[in-house]
Amino acid sequence: AQKITQTQPGMFVQEKEAVTLDCTYDTSDPSYGLFWYKQPSSGEMIFLIYQGSYDQQNATEGRYSLNFQKARKSANLVISASQLGDSAMYFCAMSKHQGAQKLVFGQGTRLTINP
Amino acid sequence: EAQVTQNPRYLITVTGKKLTVTCSQNMNHEYMSWYRQDPGLGLRQIYYSMNVEVTDKGDVPEGYKVSRKEKRNFPLILESPSPNQTSLYFCASSLLGQGDSYGYTFGSGTRLTVV
Repeated sequence: AQKITQTQPGMFVQEKEAVTLDCTYDTSDPSYGLFWYKQPSSGEMIFLIYQGSYDQQNATEGRYSLNFQKARKSANLVISASQLGDSAMYFCAMSKHQGAQKLVFGQGTRLTINP
Repeated sequence: EAQVTQNPRYLITVTGKKLTVTCSQNMNHEYMSWYRQDPGLGLRQIYYSMNVEVTDKGDVPEGYKVSRKEKRNFPLILESPSPNQTSLYFCASSLLGQGDSYGYTFGSGTRLTVV
């Protein structure tokens, strides 16, 4: 069975600093996808970034990058130059194989950016 | 605007009173799914549907029903709600095989309280 673990319930970071949110996963499937979602206080789920298990390069989307270390089964989210608007809950998730639909989520990390 | 629309956003009901949470998408997505979000547990899948008249159980289906009579609609039915179904519910959709490329589009969420 697939499992996602986010070990940081909460993080506090100064504005403009870079922040890394940890995510480890467990799966026996050779092909899978990894996702990060942002949930602001308003509650909606916002897709941030995706990494496929066979992708050779780490995914990047603007200030977001995914540090994918396949051997360690980790998929950490890196946010560069944090902003106050980055304060939110962040979820790591995985799908069974590329293109499949079921997402398994981690417990989430609440990120607070301090001015 | 491409979106997943859930209604209602907030609902307080009493134990045993049947209710339906509606979900509609305008993107012609084949795949639709319901999740519930609880503190410390992340999001867990309740039911999903690969296409019209094709539905299947997720990880926590007990106490819920779904139907997929039309491609755009995927209502979640609680026949006899109980307090342990108090949660934040999300509907999500994606194109089959494209969930990785585009992420999953989530609705705004329905906060349900059963007293």
